Amino acid sequence: DQQVKQNSPSLSVQEGRISILNCDYTNSMFDYFLWYKKYPAEGPTFLISISSIKDKNEDGRFTVFLNKSAKHLSLHIVPSQPGDSAVYFCAASRGSQGNLIFGKGTKLSVK
Amino acid sequence: DTGVSQNPRHKITKRGQNVTFRCDPISEHNRLYWYRQTLGQGPEFLTYFQNEAQLEKSRLLSDRFSAERPKGSFSTLEIQRTEQGDSAMYLCASSKTDSGNTIYFGEGSWLTVV
Repeated sequence: DQQVKQNSPSLSVQEGRISILNCDYTNSMFDYFLWYKKYPAEGPTFLISISSIKDKNEDGRFTVFLNKSAKHLSLHIVPSQPGDSAVYFCAASRGSQGNLIFGKGTKLSVK
Repeated sequence: DTGVSQNPRHKITKRGQNVTFRCDPISEHNRLYWYRQTLGQGPEFLTYFQNEAQLEKSRLLSDRFSAERPKGSFSTLEIQRTEQGDSAMYLCASSKTDSGNTIYFGEGSWLTVV
């Protein structure tokens, strides 16, 4: 039973355009959401997070949107750059314990 | 700022042998986590410590897995009697109690059981 789902295994985007990565969750008790980026053979790198009390958080080229009623979040990268090519993981947590539930990831290719 | 450090980065072992991985968290981070990642999956939570106390260990995969953090600084993850299904990347992460739920990962330790 997957509580965090990333339904697109891969996404290909042209350099300079917008990348939109999507994530759905099933547990309404989740109250904190994060995006991580991962290169092959490396650990995940934290990108951006959002609390359930907000619906948008922005950091440079990265913006995360949260739609609690739809249990959906998305990561927008504008403009996309070749260095953004990596696997992106969505993660969620509840409470303050920090044990995150991850999706399976979306592989982004920027050309 | 030194990040989370894990070693060894790669370990190849024969089935049935014991292996131990070490993790040094970011200094002043009092929480430490172990995750496992297999091909095509996201990281899977195993256990975590706050200081030296292991607050959650029910997600450890079997009784062959154990973790310690004796002085509240570095941690070790031991797998006894390894099986081929244990082949994966083992990730350590750390955080501060007051930094919300953002955790910072190390580069991981690859285990291959042959």
